[in-house]
Amino acid sequence: AAGVIQSPRHLIKEKRETATLKCYPIPRHDTVYWYQQGPGQDPQFLISFYEKMQSDKGSIPDRFSAQQFSDYHSELNMSSLELGDSALYFCASTQRRSSGNTIYFGEGSWLTVV
Amino acid sequence: QQPVQSPQAVILREGEDAVINCSSSKALYSVHWYRQKHGEAPVFLMILLKGGEQKGHEKISASFNEKKQQSSLYLTASQLSYSGTYFCGTAVRGGGADGLTFGKGTHLIIQP
Repeated sequence: AAGVIQSPRHLIKEKRETATLKCYPIPRHDTVYWYQQGPGQDPQFLISFYEKMQSDKGSIPDRFSAQQFSDYHSELNMSSLELGDSALYFCASTQRRSSGNTIYFGEGSWLTVV
Repeated sequence: QQPVQSPQAVILREGEDAVINCSSSKALYSVHWYRQKHGEAPVFLMILLKGGEQKGHEKISASFNEKKQQSSLYLTASQLSYSGTYFCGTAVRGGGADGLTFGKGTHLIIQP
C-alpha cells in the first residue's frame, strides 16, 4: 500500500540558509500535518492543511511557512535556519471522516543545520 | 496541553506484560497510540474515540476512559519487536481537524 512520501530524506544546511521539505500524502488523503521531532523528544505539531487551506496551527516558528497544493502535496519552507532547527521533520496524512481518522506518518526528513 | 504518559520507561523480559498510561487535563475526542523505533517514523497502533471503547491489535489492546480522560495501552506476552518508544497523541476535535498533541513517550525495552 502507498505510504506518505517525504523528500529529501536527509538535508544539510548552513545557518541562515533556507530549506524546503516536500510531502506527498497517501492517495485520497486530504489532510496533511507537519511535525518536528528533536533528538530524544516527542513529535511537536507545527501546522496542518485540509483541502489546501490551513486547518490548525501549532508551534511553527514565524520563519517557517507551509502550503498545500492542488494535488494535495505539501511543502514546508524554512528560512533563516538556526542550529536549533536541526531535527527530524515528519509529514503525516489522513482522510477526514466524521468519526475517527487514522493518521499515518511518513519516514521523515532529517535536517541538520551546521 | 500535553498529555502525561507513565511510566517514562519500562524494561521487560520477553513474554511479560506491560501497561502504558496516558492522561489529559482536556476533554478529548480521540487518543491515538503509536510506536516509534529510533530514527524511524511513528507507526500507528490504534485510535480510540470518546465513548470508552476498548480496541485490540494482535496482543496489544487499549482502553479510553472518557470520564477520567485517560487511556491505557496493554501489551501482553511482549515480544522483542515491541521494543521502542510508545507515544499517545490526543485530539480535542474530531475529523482530523487537530494536529495531535503527543505525550513525552514511554521507552519500552524488551530483553530476551
